[in-house]
Amino acid sequence: EVQLVESGGGLVKPGGSLRLSCAASGFTFSSYSMNWVRQAPGKGLEWVSSISSSSSYIYYADSVKGRFTISRDNAKNSLYLQMNSLRAEDTAVYYCAREVVPAAMDYWGQGTLVTVSS
Amino acid sequence: QSALTQPASVSGSPGQSITISCTGTSSDVGGYNYVSWYQQHPGKAPKLMIYEVSNRPSGVSNRFSGSKSGNTASLTISGLQAEDEADYYCSSYTSSSTLGVFGGGTKLTVL
Repeated sequence: EVQLVESGGGLVKPGGSLRLSCAASGFTFSSYSMNWVRQAPGKGLEWVSSISSSSSYIYYADSVKGRFTISRDNAKNSLYLQMNSLRAEDTAVYYCAREVVPAAMDYWGQGTLVTVSS
Repeated sequence: QSALTQPASVSGSPGQSITISCTGTSSDVGGYNYVSWYQQHPGKAPKLMIYEVSNRPSGVSNRFSGSKSGNTASLTISGLQAEDEADYYCSSYTSSSTLGVFGGGTKLTVL
């Protein structure tokens, strides 16, 4: 059974940092591109970042470029999102998701809530 | 403002059919067959319902179907059931960005 489990969310002050993790199981993690997608409270979905299977291709939304860093460890079946210089507008539930074809994510984690507030 | 335009809400009665539209441009919906649809119930993660315009993942009911005409993609749900009440999001590959784009979401109410 495919499983994605996020962790690392929490309450952080503006300007602070957090590192999200996503533990994958039940599939060959190293064969898939992975994504982070967020959803602010009461709002829609926003693509945050994407990383190819071998980390050769990495992309970011303009809203997080220069502040967030996506990475993966295929040996540990894990995906990460390092978030620095956090702002109030980064408050959201962050999901990791497996990409099966472009723009299609077939498995999602349960999400982890990041709250940026003083 | 979302890159893809969806109606904010649609509604239908049990047993009826409804269609949700997703309008983009020739740089996304109109230019590629990489349109997906997601269903999201409150407090839950999104679930992939349609990919590559009209393909259903294993386990998704055949009451859900997708299509595309020009720059507009559509999700049709036939034989509406109470459990279909949820938010629906479209997404597309786009040549205008290095990431995909989502629609703003449509709230489906089953009357």
